[in-house]
Amino acid sequence: AQRVTQPEKLLSVFKGAPVELKCNYSYSGSPELFWYVQYSRQRLQLLLRHISRESIKGFTADLNKGETSFHLKKPFAQEEDSAMYYCALLYSTDKLIFGTGTRLQVFP
Amino acid sequence: DTGVSQDPRHKITKRGQNVTFRCDPISEHNRLYWYRQTLGQGPEFLTYFQNEAQLEKSRLLSDRFSAERPKGSFSTLEIQRTEQGDSAMYLCASSLGAGVGYGYTFGSGTRLTVV
Repeated sequence: AQRVTQPEKLLSVFKGAPVELKCNYSYSGSPELFWYVQYSRQRLQLLLRHISRESIKGFTADLNKGETSFHLKKPFAQEEDSAMYYCALLYSTDKLIFGTGTRLQVFP
Repeated sequence: DTGVSQDPRHKITKRGQNVTFRCDPISEHNRLYWYRQTLGQGPEFLTYFQNEAQLEKSRLLSDRFSAERPKGSFSTLEIQRTEQGDSAMYLCASSLGAGVGYGYTFGSGTRLTVV
């Protein structure tokens, strides 16, 4: 069955430190993966999708099919990166399955 | 604001009462999704529409839940005989199409508390 696992509920770093938010998935087909972010008091919004191979707000994520991972990385964290981050897998073309999320806290 | 709108933002109801939520998607989006999010969990898929047709319902959607999108525009989600376990954030999202090329736009959600 399809599943998305985010093993860390909370990740705390200091400003300027590197960040890696972990995401592992289980899916029998070809995975389409996303990272969504929710800033305080704001709605859930798309951060990036693996197919675009893009960097948004300094974040990147590489799909590793061998390790079934899609970790989110940023070399230098900023205070404004503090938010809830969700990894999501698209299945059956239409539906997203989300992980439980990781709260990133960036201290000054 | 041309985003996805949800109404109400908060709803407190007594157990056993019926509640109805509304979602107004982005006008040109033909797909509309309902998700539910409980504390400490990510959003979970409930159901979705393409235009006015309801294409799929999750096992999470018991017989007490019904969703409609009568004219392919706004959608309503009704919960009958609410239970405390229905307390959650109900999220609506819309998209222009299906598949990885089409991102979801989420609304702010309706937080339901059943007392």
